[in-house]
Amino acid sequence: EADIYQTPRYLVIGTGKKITLECSQTMGHDKMYWYQQDPGMELHLIHYSYGVNSTEKGDLSSESTVSRIRTEHFPLTLESARPSHTSQYLCASSDQHRGTSNEKLFFGSGTQLSVL
Amino acid sequence: AQSVAQPEDQVNVAEGNPLTVKCTYSVSGNPYLFWYVQYPNRGLQFLLKYITGDNLVKGSYGFEAEFNKSQTSFHLKKPSALVSDSALYFCAVRDPVYNFNKFYFGSGTKLNVKP
Repeated sequence: EADIYQTPRYLVIGTGKKITLECSQTMGHDKMYWYQQDPGMELHLIHYSYGVNSTEKGDLSSESTVSRIRTEHFPLTLESARPSHTSQYLCASSDQHRGTSNEKLFFGSGTQLSVL
Repeated sequence: AQSVAQPEDQVNVAEGNPLTVKCTYSVSGNPYLFWYVQYPNRGLQFLLKYITGDNLVKGSYGFEAEFNKSQTSFHLKKPSALVSDSALYFCAVRDPVYNFNKFYFGSGTKLNVKP
């Protein structure tokens, strides 16, 4: 069982609210990711991090921001939520280092966000 | 551009029968290929991967996948399906030449195994 946790599991909020989705892992992994998942659609990478103080935008344009102040913590923030942000958000981590192929992702259970 | 295609939204199979979940990919170099499974209300879990070597790779829960370079495919297989295999399956690819740090996922295939 992977030691990566996401909270909340479900969130229903009104338009314009600021929200933070939490993600923590206890495996000491350097790399962490945020994916957005809609039903019947592929997972889209929205943010990733190589380690503390390192964050990069992914392939999918996102109005969210992330921070990586501690290795174990990778929160995602929406400053002003809109109905178009309604989706499932998945956090993942891995211990892959550049130059090696032996990487696999460990996923959290996800946060289902609904913006009314 | 890197991409993964799972042509079937849903696969239905009877318990005890063999199952195949299809995946094709497009990358610039030699691919690193993965299968993940998502059970209801759970996060994705790693099943198996192909990096190099034998084209047939074996993974968790009796699953295996066959890498076919000429057909750019990496189909997931199991000789005898169980009802408990019912879940959402995702194929993923990583391009070790370009975008080494990114996984690209397919849209997922829902596997229904009926008793």
